[in-house]
Amino acid sequence: NAGVIQTPRHKVTGKGQEATLWCEPISGHSAVFWYRQTIVQGLEFLTYFRNQAPIDDSGMPKERFSAQMPNQSHSTLKIQSTQPQDSAVYLCASSLTGGSYEQYFGPGTRLTVL
Amino acid sequence: AQSVTQPDARVTVSEGASLQLRCKYSYSATPYLFWYVQYPRQGLQLLLKYYSGDPVVQGVNSFEAEFSKSNSSFHLQKASVHWSDSAVYFCALSMGGNMGYKLTFGTGTSLLVDP
Repeated sequence: NAGVIQTPRHKVTGKGQEATLWCEPISGHSAVFWYRQTIVQGLEFLTYFRNQAPIDDSGMPKERFSAQMPNQSHSTLKIQSTQPQDSAVYLCASSLTGGSYEQYFGPGTRLTVL
Repeated sequence: AQSVTQPDARVTVSEGASLQLRCKYSYSATPYLFWYVQYPRQGLQLLLKYYSGDPVVQGVNSFEAEFSKSNSSFHLQKASVHWSDSAVYFCALSMGGNMGYKLTFGTGTSLLVDP
């Protein structure tokens, strides 16, 4: 089992550019979560899909951030017009549903906005 | 609203010594509780989880944690630490069910084991 795969591992963008982050969940897992990690804010929940449907996006910034899960094998987090304050490590996690609640995390994508 | 507090930002112990990392939660019901470890430039790895039943749960690498409803705590323990245990440890909770499965994390405790 390859675990959760996130690409790229590192991404550098200029202010105002777009960034797309990819996540491939563990095969057979039907829930995908996105979190953001910074020194100042710590680990913050962004959004969550179950069976590809968006369930909870309460942590997503209202502007510039969007997430999709077009099929069961990958999810994307897109940030439009990136700003320096978007610099963070973005973590994707997946889990089984139906009674199993532990989430398994990928290695993260470190986004740096210059 | 739910929250998790890890009061110790940094802990230093000598190799071979015992360890306790503290975690307190705030939630009106009994949540699902987790401990994760993060090594440098890596994602989070699950150490152990508590859902219900025996308040002492065993995890990987000889870690264990004890749930206390009366104290709203879920402290992580290890009898004898190794230098490779140096990492950042996060306590987290999930409300589950209709309240959703997202994790709420504490601020983490950075553990340094002196060899």
